[in-house]
Amino acid sequence: GAGVSQSPRYKVTKRGQDVALRCDPISGHVSLYWYRQALGQGPEFLTYFNYEAQQDKSGLPNDRFSAERPEGSISTLTIQRTEQRDSAMYRCASSKRQGMNTEAFFGQGTRLTVV
Amino acid sequence: AQTVTQSQPEMSVQEAETVTLSCTYDTSENNYYLFWYKQPPSRQMILVIRQEAYKQQNATENRFSVNFQKAAKSFSLKISDSQLGDTAMYFCAFMTYNNNDMRFGAGTRLTVKP
Repeated sequence: GAGVSQSPRYKVTKRGQDVALRCDPISGHVSLYWYRQALGQGPEFLTYFNYEAQQDKSGLPNDRFSAERPEGSISTLTIQRTEQRDSAMYRCASSKRQGMNTEAFFGQGTRLTVV
Repeated sequence: AQTVTQSQPEMSVQEAETVTLSCTYDTSENNYYLFWYKQPPSRQMILVIRQEAYKQQNATENRFSVNFQKAAKSFSLKISDSQLGDTAMYFCAFMTYNNNDMRFGAGTRLTVKP
């Protein structure tokens, strides 16, 4: 597609339920990033992939959070047994391999609310 | 992992004046990229300016320029002739050259006053 697409845009879930957030990066982009962003704060790193390989998952808050990118394109961030503190905007970004015009392009985000 | 620090949570400037936003970073890498992103109230993330670490010349994009001091690990953004539309959150970001690891600072909220 033309840009990074995230779905759903908004998700309201009950505490204890599992949620899956989807990111469809720009076609051909090698790197895919997941961030969490609270209002008025910077993007907090969660994890990222180069191709299908998860390079760093040190930002995932705990073992309820996981991410995958099995074919090196679409990625899913899964949160199991959601808690109210998981409520936030989850942002995905993608970038091509290093080069003159390297930058990260962001999706519109998924706003997750746990009630 | 790399860290990015923005020490100014909020800044304000009068319209048409100049403002400088600060950013420092910590890395052991020699090659990397630095960015400033703008996030208006719509919460889009918009690239303002990019700097490659191997380039000594500071990047400029119209009214936006950077002061890149590699030895000091400093990367400040100067906005000249500030406009009301520049009001936004500004994030400094770092990306490693070898594996595209990208981290952001906490941001500076800039308000341009008429």
